Amino acid sequence: EAGVAQSPRYKIIEKRQSVAFWCNPISGHATLYWYQQILGQGPKLLIQFQNNGVVDDSQLPKDRFSAERLKGVDSTLKIQPAKLEDSAVYLCASSSEGQGGEQFFGPGTRLTVL
Amino acid sequence: KNQVEQSPQSLIILEGKNCTLQCNYTVSPFSNLRWYKQDTGRGPVSLTIMTFSENTKSNGRYTATLDADTKQSSLHITASQLSDSASYICVVSAFPSETGANNLFFGTGTRLTVIP
Repeated sequence: EAGVAQSPRYKIIEKRQSVAFWCNPISGHATLYWYQQILGQGPKLLIQFQNNGVVDDSQLPKDRFSAERLKGVDSTLKIQPAKLEDSAVYLCASSSEGQGGEQFFGPGTRLTVL
Repeated sequence: KNQVEQSPQSLIILEGKNCTLQCNYTVSPFSNLRWYKQDTGRGPVSLTIMTFSENTKSNGRYTATLDADTKQSSLHITASQLSDSASYICVVSAFPSETGANNLFFGTGTRLTVIP
């Protein structure tokens, strides 16, 4: 079974630029999560999708972050414009069990904002 | 307030030694607790899951314990290996709310380094 795929693996941009991350979850997994993990900290949930609908985006900085999951499969997370404090690893995870079920994480995208 | 706290923040041990990582939580209503291992540059991988009625669960050299009364969990690693060097994250789930809002609470992790 293929795991969660993410791209790119690394991205370096200057502040005020835009960036987009892509995630392809495990086939058949209805629930998809985007997390932000700052160095030395645990993952922080940004947004949770159930199929193509948003379940929770309460911690998503909506003035600069956006995410979509068209067709209920893969997803993109965008930051526009980026700030220095956005430097982090962005993890995508998927689950077949809904809330509380095991999440399978992708390798993450490491973003550096200069 | 739902919180998960882990200790120690970091730990260095010699190869072959045992160690225990701690997780205290205030999440309610409690559903389950998972320990994840996160290798450098990789996403977290689930090691164990424990529900309210379970107090011990093993996965190879990893043994997790849960005391639901005191809201504490521990992860014990036996005969450590160099490959155990990683961050270990405790994640506690609350029962889903009617709104469907997020019910997962992450600890900040313990960074374990095993040295030869």
